[in-house]
Amino acid sequence: QVQLVQSGAEVKKPGASVKVSCKASGYTFNSYAMHWVRQAPGQRLEWMGWINVGNGNTKYSQNFQGRVTISRDTSASTAYMELSSLRSEDTAVYYCARDWKIDTGSHYYYAMDVWGQGTTVTVSS
Amino acid sequence: DIQMTQSPSSLSASVGDRVTITCRASQSISSYLNWYQQKPGKAPKLLIYTSSSLQSGVPSRFSGSGSGTDFTLTITSLQPEDFAIYYCQQSYSDPWTFGQGTKLEI
Repeated sequence: QVQLVQSGAEVKKPGASVKVSCKASGYTFNSYAMHWVRQAPGQRLEWMGWINVGNGNTKYSQNFQGRVTISRDTSASTAYMELSSLRSEDTAVYYCARDWKIDTGSHYYYAMDVWGQGTTVTVSS
Repeated sequence: DIQMTQSPSSLSASVGDRVTITCRASQSISSYLNWYQQKPGKAPKLLIYTSSSLQSGVPSRFSGSGSGTDFTLTITSLQPEDFAIYYCQQSYSDPWTFGQGTKLEI
């Protein structure tokens, strides 16, 4: 079945970087883009960016510009999200989510149809 | 950025009730609106896409409607497993944004 399995929880000090992985299975990895979304404790979901897995093109939210890097290893069917210069406000659960491109015949629509289980990143001195 | 605002933020209901959650976008997003359900400690789950299309495997008691700036998610005949947090999300333009969530509780 289609599945995204993320790496385990991380504890980091302020100023450090973290890299979270997301291994895909059950579908053709190159055929779908991948999003990264985070959720700080008690907060709404926040979109961080996405990668076109086929060609490697990325787009990031301005809220993370310069600090986030999304990449992929097609040979390993794995996407990555690296966040640098961590601060306490980056403590959150980080999710990868598959992009679903919906063709209605007249328009393309998009949704996130498969999600990883989440990776907790704690930033604390 | 497009702001998404849900109402109410929380809602108390009982099994068998019909409930409606509203989502408003700060500008027109046509039908680029998705709904997700999230249970404690779990990842969000896609329920509704393109405002009104039911994701495969989602019970038919869930329905969505709306276009432009105003959208609704309706759940008829609430079941115990429906008590969760519901988020709307726009995919009209980057950055994709979510509503603040509606907590549906008993």
